[in-house]
Amino acid sequence: QKEVEQNSGPLSVPEGAIASLNCTYSDRGSQSFFWYRQYSGKSPELIMFIYSNGDKEDGRFTAQLNKASQYVSLLIRDSQPSDSATYLCAVNGPSNYQLIWGAGTKLIIKP
Amino acid sequence: EPEVTQTPSHQVTQMGQEVILRCVPISNHLYFYWYRQILGQKVEFLVSFYNNEISEKSEIFDDQFSVERPDGSNFTLKIRSTKLEDSAMYFCASRPTGGGYTFGSGTRLTVV
Repeated sequence: QKEVEQNSGPLSVPEGAIASLNCTYSDRGSQSFFWYRQYSGKSPELIMFIYSNGDKEDGRFTAQLNKASQYVSLLIRDSQPSDSATYLCAVNGPSNYQLIWGAGTKLIIKP
Repeated sequence: EPEVTQTPSHQVTQMGQEVILRCVPISNHLYFYWYRQILGQKVEFLVSFYNNEISEKSEIFDDQFSVERPDGSNFTLKIRSTKLEDSAMYFCASRPTGGGYTFGSGTRLTVV
């Protein structure tokens, strides 16, 4: 059974600081890694995705992959109160037709 | 920005009834999905659809469920004989080849 694990939090970060979120995955063969943001009662919103060949930066967000340790991280620079949400990590399943999801980390940005 | 559209936003149904959840994926996307999220729990994969047929389905997606693409734009999820435990948010998603998934705003299904 493929698993994706996240610390449920909450993770509390002061406004303007860097928020660091982590996710571990069990399948060493995973190749696509997704970070989504979900506000309460809303649908997941794609932040960014990376492949196994490298990290990615997009504005205030950076996704990094550590294949040896099988974890992927999301860094949010200059955190804003509007970044307060649950952050979901998802990894491609064995067939690439589905995503396997973590339970999410609740992030709270304190003004 | 293109959106995945889902209707209705909220559906209340009596146990044992059939419901149809509707989705309009983004027009140039080729892969379509249904996921569900029971309140407070993980997002769970139900089914994926490509080239007008099911490409993969989960253990959850049993004979109670079916999907259709009736007219080239809509993508529906039918749940027959609903049970209390079917109450959840149901999300439709689509993606282009090699791209990320875009989710619709979801349908909150409440079975009473």
